[in-house]
Amino acid sequence: GAVVSQHPSRVICKSGTSVKIECRSLDFQATTMFWYRQFPKKSLMLMATSNEGSKATYEQGVEKDKFLINHASLTLSTLTVTSAHPEDSSFYICSASEAGGNTEAFFGQGTRLTVV
Amino acid sequence: DAKTTQPNSMESNEEEPVHLPCNHSTISGTDYIHWYRQLPSQGPEYVIHGLTSNVNNRMASLAIAEDRKSSTLILHRATLRDAAVYYCILRYSSASKIIFGSGTRLSIRP
Repeated sequence: GAVVSQHPSRVICKSGTSVKIECRSLDFQATTMFWYRQFPKKSLMLMATSNEGSKATYEQGVEKDKFLINHASLTLSTLTVTSAHPEDSSFYICSASEAGGNTEAFFGQGTRLTVV
Repeated sequence: DAKTTQPNSMESNEEEPVHLPCNHSTISGTDYIHWYRQLPSQGPEYVIHGLTSNVNNRMASLAIAEDRKSSTLILHRATLRDAAVYYCILRYSSASKIIFGSGTRLSIRP
């Protein structure tokens, strides 16, 4: 089946620095990708919808200036956590689907971000 | 977005069938019923999806009620590796958002 690759799988950064997470669709073109964050023992929370060639659509309560999303090509979307703080520590997951009708979604393996 | 309701947790014995229920009473005619599961520290994994008819694949079966207001994911013979959180989600197209509910945490007893 189709694969979505997310990198890095783990990252530790200092407070105040920025971290970039990449999400790639390896064998299909993804017009739309989704970014989630997940706290321990909780469900996935949708942060934003990433659209190729246009601005991302953020969910209510998600700071667009803090979580920068770029979807420059049909196979790559990036999430940059700017000026990270310990409360940004979380599990971040991306998702993508093939275009054309109703298909299953594929998820990256997730990125564990720890801000110290 | 139409909402789904699932039990918080379920337990089953290894090598026995598991029936995971999902209620979606506000489902629209164009919503597909999707199931995903998430193992610890991993991204969710697709399990199965359907519209009206029951569906089978190598992982599971999906039984959809005639009025489509509920569905059941069936794992025919549970293994320890099936221990995960299972999410039932409604989706009308590949571009539509996937909103996760709280899911069902499935535990498998050896």
